[in-house]
Amino acid sequence: GQNIDQPTEMTATEGAIVQINCTYQTSGFNGLFWYQQHAGEAPTFLSYNVLDGLEEKGRFSSFLSRSKGYSYLLLKELQMKDSASYLCALPTGGGNKLTFGTGTQLKVEL
Amino acid sequence: GAGVSQSPSNKVTEKGKDVELRCDPISGHTALYWYRQSLGQGLEFLIYFQGNSAPDKSGLPSDRFSAERTGGSVSTLTIQRTQQEDSAVYLCASSFRLDTDTQYFGPGTRLTVL
Repeated sequence: GQNIDQPTEMTATEGAIVQINCTYQTSGFNGLFWYQQHAGEAPTFLSYNVLDGLEEKGRFSSFLSRSKGYSYLLLKELQMKDSASYLCALPTGGGNKLTFGTGTQLKVEL
Repeated sequence: GAGVSQSPSNKVTEKGKDVELRCDPISGHTALYWYRQSLGQGLEFLIYFQGNSAPDKSGLPSDRFSAERTGGSVSTLTIQRTQQEDSAVYLCASSFRLDTDTQYFGPGTRLTVL
């Protein structure tokens, strides 16, 4: 099966930049998703990388290297509301389901 | 437009009882997915539907779990003879189509089995 690894917790300061890494062991998939999940709420879609490289979307950017089995989510100009769990997910089963990492709990402090 | 909705938002039941969880996908989305999220665990895939058909039931934890979808819209997840280990948040998602299309999640049903 797929081993998807993310750090369990990270802490960063308001206004700073934080990078959340995701590594995995799999092949033959199409891209990688990042979702944000606030406590007690549904996961919300952040980004989908299908090709290698960096995709920028406002304060959030996501990077993928398929050959290295590596992705990261970059959050700039951190705000308190960015405190949440960040989940990376791989399309598996022919792309018809998502296999999620356990998520990284980000805490943004003053 | 309206997002994915689920009901009930919370369900407390006694061990051994049956429960039904409902999901209303985004209008026009042909694909529907069920996941569950246990405390401290990642999201675990349960089943997906293309239209009313469920080609892959391999994620269902046991034969006490079943799901159906009617009219290409509403889906119900049924858990028979609930056990305490079934306690989790059950999340539904939908997408316009299968094959890596972005999945949009509902708010979930928090199931507690006493």
